Amino acid sequence: DIQMTQSPSTLSASVGDRVTITCRASQSISSWLAWYQQKPGKAPKLLIYKASSLESGVPSRFSGSGSGTEFTLTISSLQPDDFATYYCQQYNSFGVTFGGGTKVEIK
Amino acid sequence: EVQLVESGGGLVQPGGSLRLSCAASGFTFSSYWMHWVRQAPGKGLVWVSRINSDGSSTSYADSVKGRFTISRDNAKNTLYLQMNSLRAEDTAVYYCARDQYGDYLFDPWGQGTLVTVSS
Repeated sequence: DIQMTQSPSTLSASVGDRVTITCRASQSISSWLAWYQQKPGKAPKLLIYKASSLESGVPSRFSGSGSGTEFTLTISSLQPDDFATYYCQQYNSFGVTFGGGTKVEIK
Repeated sequence: EVQLVESGGGLVQPGGSLRLSCAASGFTFSSYWMHWVRQAPGKGLVWVSRINSDGSSTSYADSVKGRFTISRDNAKNTLYLQMNSLRAEDTAVYYCARDQYGDYLFDPWGQGTLVTVSS
């Protein structure tokens, strides 16, 4: 199975900050990488797919980049609604795997 | 509005069985692959199982293979997960999710149903 490693596991930031989360794959997954946002007690929500494609309805302050084994999710200006846990997911091969999550907390 | 609503969770003893349901509305259910994804308390997301649009093809995570069975009733717009031989490590919130683009991208998700395996 492909392992997905996210860093950091927790991130403290303020409203207006630029935030970057990293996800590394144990082997190349081309651009088959998605990002989800999950708020406490709620279901995850798809933000980005194919590494950099923004899902419909997702604010443009979210962006994704990378290919191969290293990927980033960037929030250009953190908003109060963005405090949540973010997960990356690879879907390159059978055996879909998620990263361990990055919790974005209020500083 | 696209909506997925899970039901059927609860407390079950180790070795017991439970059947989860996921009622879909707001889209043509029979056109989409569907998945189950679980999340143990305070932990990350783990893919469990997938079924294709007409129910003729399924796949499972190794951890549940031989114990769980995914199925669907397109006439009732409902997805199921039959869980047998349950273990403590199966304790989790179980989400159903639509396969948005037919390649293991999950959107939307239901609100989840909690399964607790304990004596």
